[in-house]
Amino acid sequence: DAGVTQSPTHLIKTRGQQVTLRCSPKSGHDTVSWYQQALGQGPQFIFQYYEEEERQRGNFPDRFSGHQFPNYSSELNVNALLLGDSALYLCASRLGPGGGSYEQYFGPGTRLTVT
Amino acid sequence: GDSVTQMEGPVTLSEEAFLTINCTYTATGYPSLFWYVQYPGEGLQLLLKATKADDKGSNKGFEATYRKETTSFHLEKGSVQVSDSAVYFCALSPTGANNLFFGTGTRLTVIP
Repeated sequence: DAGVTQSPTHLIKTRGQQVTLRCSPKSGHDTVSWYQQALGQGPQFIFQYYEEEERQRGNFPDRFSGHQFPNYSSELNVNALLLGDSALYLCASRLGPGGGSYEQYFGPGTRLTVT
Repeated sequence: GDSVTQMEGPVTLSEEAFLTINCTYTATGYPSLFWYVQYPGEGLQLLLKATKADDKGSNKGFEATYRKETTSFHLEKGSVQVSDSAVYFCALSPTGANNLFFGTGTRLTVIP
């Protein structure tokens, strides 16, 4: 049973560019969340997608956007990259968007470096 | 707002030592509480959870009790092993919400 997968593993971009990160949820899961983990910090919630719609959003600017496809996979897009966007981006999946007691499964992350 | 404050590291212990990593939280209502572990080169894994006051989560010899009166969820293990070396994150999910708030993480190194 494949867990959460993310691509690419590493990415280097230049300030001002745009980037797209991809995530495939664990088999049977239909809800995907994205987190940003800066070096030495805990992950911070960006947003969650369920039924192809953004259901909840953290404190991130509109430069961060996402999409969920009918097969439940998801993309995270970041426009006009800033140096401060350099981080590990984590995708997490779960079954259903409901209450917080259900386990979220995390992928290994995509390391984004902005130069 | 909702937040988690976690004991700063790094923590270095000898094998078979007792481990405590402190975690306190700020939240309205009755959040669910979690400990996640991140082994080198791997993704975050759920270690244990508790969903209501006085619940005790346990897994792989680790335990944590949801203490509403002290807003704490401290992680403990009676005898650590070298294989427990990892970064440990305390997290909460607010009542009725879907997202997780994480602490800054505590790096544990266990030496033989």
